[in-house]
Amino acid sequence: EVQLVESGGGLVQPGGSLRLSCAASGFTFSRYWMHWVRQTPGKGLVWVSAIKGDGSSTTYADSVKGRFTISRDNTKNTLYLQMNSLRAGDTAVYYCARDWADCGGDCYLPAMAFDMWGQGTMVTVSS
Amino acid sequence: DIQMTQSPSTLSASVGDRVTITCRASQSLNTWLAWYQQKPGKAPKLLIYMTSSLESGVPSRFSGSGSGTEFTLTISSLQPDDVATYYCQHYNSYSCSFGQGTKLEIK
Repeated sequence: EVQLVESGGGLVQPGGSLRLSCAASGFTFSRYWMHWVRQTPGKGLVWVSAIKGDGSSTTYADSVKGRFTISRDNTKNTLYLQMNSLRAGDTAVYYCARDWADCGGDCYLPAMAFDMWGQGTMVTVSS
Repeated sequence: DIQMTQSPSTLSASVGDRVTITCRASQSLNTWLAWYQQKPGKAPKLLIYMTSSLESGVPSRFSGSGSGTEFTLTISSLQPDDVATYYCQHYNSYSCSFGQGTKLEIK
C-alpha cells in the first residue's frame, strides 16, 4: 500500500525544538521531491518546505527560513523536518506530501502539486 | 504573492445537483491550478491537476476548468460522499498558494 505516516508532533514551548518524521512506503521514495505542508484554522493550508529526491536541493517558505531544516534518508525511506526556534505561529497540523511529478529523481524543480499526503501530526507551541 | 479567493465559503446543495465552486487569483496565472478535497479529520486529496486533468481514481463527475484569473471546480451530480471542504491551489515550480476553502454540505 502506498502511504505516508508522520510522527514526532507534540507540545513544545516557544523557542523550543521538535523533529518531525514521515515514513514512506509503497513507492520508490528517492524518485520524488517531498514536501511539508501545514494547516491551521486561521491561515489554512500553507506550503513549508521541499527537498529533491536525492536530497541535493531544498527550498523553504520565508516564514520558516533559517529556523526549519528539511532532510531525508533514502535508505530508510524517511523524510524529516527539524524545527528550531519555534513560535506560537508555527502551531499547526503538519503534513508530509509527495510531489505530483515522477521524474525519476531528476527533476531540477518540483511541480508543487501534491498527489499523496500523510495523515498529519499536530504541533502545538505554547507555554 | 498570488492570493487565491474561493467562493462561496459554504455551499449547501441537494443530492444530484450540479455544483460549481469558483477560485479567483489576485493576478493572472501563468501557472497551473489544482483542486483538493478534504474530509473532516483527514488529509487533503488531489482531485484535479493542471487546471482540468482528473487525478487517477477520482470519479468523472468532478471536472475543472478556467484560465487567467478565474477557475472552477464542477461536480456534475452531487453525491453524499462529496461532503467535504474543497481547496484550490495555484502552483508552479517556485511557489504555490491555496484558497481558503469551500465547505460543501448536503441539504
